[in-house]
Amino acid sequence: DGGITQSPKYLFRKEGQNVTLSCEQNLNHDAMYWYRQDPGQGLRLIYYSQIVNDFQKGDIAEGYSVSREKKESFPLTVTSAQKNPTAFYLCASSIGEGEGENIQYFGAGTRLSVL
Amino acid sequence: QKEVEQDPGPLSVPEGAIVSLNCTYSNSAFQYFMWYRQYSRKGPELLMYTYSSGNKEDGRFTAQVDKSSKYISLFIRDSQPSDSATYLCAMRFTGGGNKLTFGTGTQLKVEL
Repeated sequence: DGGITQSPKYLFRKEGQNVTLSCEQNLNHDAMYWYRQDPGQGLRLIYYSQIVNDFQKGDIAEGYSVSREKKESFPLTVTSAQKNPTAFYLCASSIGEGEGENIQYFGAGTRLSVL
Repeated sequence: QKEVEQDPGPLSVPEGAIVSLNCTYSNSAFQYFMWYRQYSRKGPELLMYTYSSGNKEDGRFTAQVDKSSKYISLFIRDSQPSDSATYLCAMRFTGGGNKLTFGTGTQLKVEL
């Protein structure tokens, strides 16, 4: 079954703690993305990666970090510097960044809450 | 002003109704337009993808783009309770990598 797997489904963070959200895809896509979704604000781009070992900041990268050591994996770390981390986090992937129907496919999301 | 504006709803319609969902945008450089459907606590799934102006039909769904008015629409015919979800519009530039700009989403409820 091809797709994007995010884990865990629910995650709780204590004050001052770093937590890592997992995103794995078996679609052989080059590009991967992390979004944050808050009520009434739509999806906002945190980080994206167009190729292994390379990534760029999105619109709201402060307090987050990523790595892209393997094509199929793009983990997101929510650091203690992110003061308002409670949100629904969505990972997506696409074939690449070229023109045409470069569709982004989404995982099922991770809901992060602060204890 | 947000780049993409979308009425959050909620929009409640009876089963079988025709639903019209809309987004307006301010940046004329947007060329690719998408509609995603998101069920509660799930990831978005792509419904429709259109390039530039015009209409595209897929079953009960029709996507319409009017670039002169900077306005896009999604029509759902013969709406079903299973269509109850949040509908997100998204768009991107040509040559802008693959960065999408999303609307805030419209919550739709189709009642029996």
